[in-house]
Amino acid sequence: NAGVTQTPKFQVLKTGQSMTLQCAQDMNHNSMYWYRQDPGMGLRLIYYSASEGTTDKGEVPNGYNVSRLNKREFSLRLESAAPSQTSVYFCASSDAPGTATYEQYFGPGTRLTVT
Amino acid sequence: GESVGLHLPTLSVQEGDNSIINCAYSNSASDYFIWYKQESGKGPQFIIDIRSNMDKRQGQRVTVLLNKTVKHLSLQIAATQPGDSAVYFCAEKIKAAGNKLTFGGGTRVLVKP
Repeated sequence: NAGVTQTPKFQVLKTGQSMTLQCAQDMNHNSMYWYRQDPGMGLRLIYYSASEGTTDKGEVPNGYNVSRLNKREFSLRLESAAPSQTSVYFCASSDAPGTATYEQYFGPGTRLTVT
Repeated sequence: GESVGLHLPTLSVQEGDNSIINCAYSNSASDYFIWYKQESGKGPQFIIDIRSNMDKRQGQRVTVLLNKTVKHLSLQIAATQPGDSAVYFCAEKIKAAGNKLTFGGGTRVLVKP
């Protein structure tokens, strides 16, 4: 049981380049989330997927797109990277069927630098 | 590891003392609260949670207190250990907003030997 996995761990992009951050969970969770974390700030929600087949914007969605590929996988895409997107990106999942907890389980993060 | 939160409020605690980390929330419609611990270079880890119909919940060496009157949440860590050094975040779930959590800014705890 690996929990939540993210790839890559580190990435450096030039302004204007595109990339996709991958996330997968093996806990049969219905909901998945993408956050960014900047120095001096808490986690801010970019996009989330309450269940397979649905996605919704969070607090800071501009410049990003997501795909809920199946129940396990939720990817985050930067179409044209900007220096303001330099951050640490965390994927999380929650809501196993039959449970009544809202705890989110986090991956180890992707450290992205845009130059 | 990477430094997370260069300008976070910091709580310095002597090893063995108790720590109290505070969190204010703003939404009276929040019905669930959770504390996370984040060590340098890692993702947040669950510590303890509490529903709005409770005032207090205890775990192993940790206690969460909820005061809905003043919209305040606290995390108490008993007998603080060097391994407790980390950034601590509170988060709230607003009843009408599905399963989303809204995170606070975090507090860094430094344990002095």
